[in-house]
Order: sequence, then structure tokens, then C-alpha cells
Amino acid sequence: AQSVTQPDIHITVSEGASLELRCNYSYGATPYLFWYVQSPGQGLQLLLKYFSGDTLVQGIKGFEAEFKRSQSSFNLRKPSVHWSDAAEYFCAVVRGNTGKLIFGQGTTLQVKP
Amino acid sequence: ETGVTQTPRHLVMGMTNKKSLKCEQHLGHNAMYWYKQSAKKPLELMFVYSLEERVENNSVPSRFSPECPNSSHLFLHLHTLQPEDSALYLCASSQEWGIAKNIQYFGAGTRLSVL
Repeated sequence: AQSVTQPDIHITVSEGASLELRCNYSYGATPYLFWYVQSPGQGLQLLLKYFSGDTLVQGIKGFEAEFKRSQSSFNLRKPSVHWSDAAEYFCAVVRGNTGKLIFGQGTTLQVKP
Repeated sequence: ETGVTQTPRHLVMGMTNKKSLKCEQHLGHNAMYWYKQSAKKPLELMFVYSLEERVENNSVPSRFSPECPNSSHLFLHLHTLQPEDSALYLCASSQEWGIAKNIQYFGAGTRLSVL
């Protein structure tokens, strides 16, 4: 069965520092992958998605993610973190051809001034 | 106006109360979803409606009763809940159901506390 693992429950970075959030998935075929962000008191907002093609995808708010099939990973990156990036980040994969999203447990990002 | 609107944002209820959560989407989508988000657990899909017909029910207890009167509105009726039902309930919508490349758009959620 498909699954998503986000190994880091909580990450703290300094403002201006680079960020990488890890995501590993378990899926036999080519996965459709997503990163969502949830700011405090808000719903989930789509940051970026990967369906096919170029393995480096650009998203909103300066985020990017790289799909690495050999490592079953889809890590999220940002070169310089802003205080407003403090939030919870969720990686998700679509289950088969159903459209059902399987979410990881989330990574909480704290940004130090 | 935001794409997916949920009301109320916060709800406190006793175990014997009956209440309803409301979700409205202004995106012209045909599929709507209810998710439960508990602390330290992945989001759990509860129900899916496609064109007002329920197409998924992921073993949700009967004290949760969904209703989809039209493709823009989705309700979750709550009755005799338990304290462990306290969570953030998220509504989402997508263009269609069953399409792998669908993007789901989420509301801000209703924070439910059961006393």
C-alpha cells in the first residue's frame, strides 16, 4: 500500500538560512506527489506538485522540490527562509488512480529570528 | 472570497449535543471531501462526495453523518460524539473525483472540542 513518511516531526531554522524538508514515499509506479503548507489556524494550501517531466519543480512562495525516483524521495527546499514560512508542511501522494491523497504526518517548521 | 469556506471555525459541544459543520465551495467543483486532522496523526479521509453522491466512507462511525444537498455544499452532522472526536475537521473540493491529477483545495477547518 502507498505510504508517505516525513522523518522530521519538528525543524527549527534561522531566518535567512536554507531549508530542506524530507519526504519519502512508498509506491510502485510513478507517483503523483504534492507538498501542502498549513499556517496556524488555516487550511492546507498547495505549494507545488509533481506529475511527470522535469524532476525539479517550482512552487509558490519560493519553494521547490526534487523528485528522486532512486531514493523514493520528494524533498522540499527553500534557499532562504522567512519568518512567515513558520507553519506545518505536509507531503502527500495520490493512491493509485483514485484521486485519494495519502498524507505524511507533517513537519512543523519553526523560524528563529 | 476564498474558494472553500467552512463554518463555524470553532465549536464546543457536549457529548449529547447535535451540531452540524458546513462547507461551501465557490470553485465549480464536482467532488467534496471531509477530513479529520488529529494532533500528531496524518490527515484521515472520512467521506467523499462526487456529484452529490457519496463515493467513499472510510469506516467512519455513524455518529458522523454527511450530507451533500448540491455540488457546492457539504455538511457533517454530529451526534453523541466522544471526547476523542475532538479534532480539526477539514473540507476540501476538487474538479472531479477519481482523477489522479486532481488538486484538492482546502478550507480553513472547524476546530471541534467535545466535552
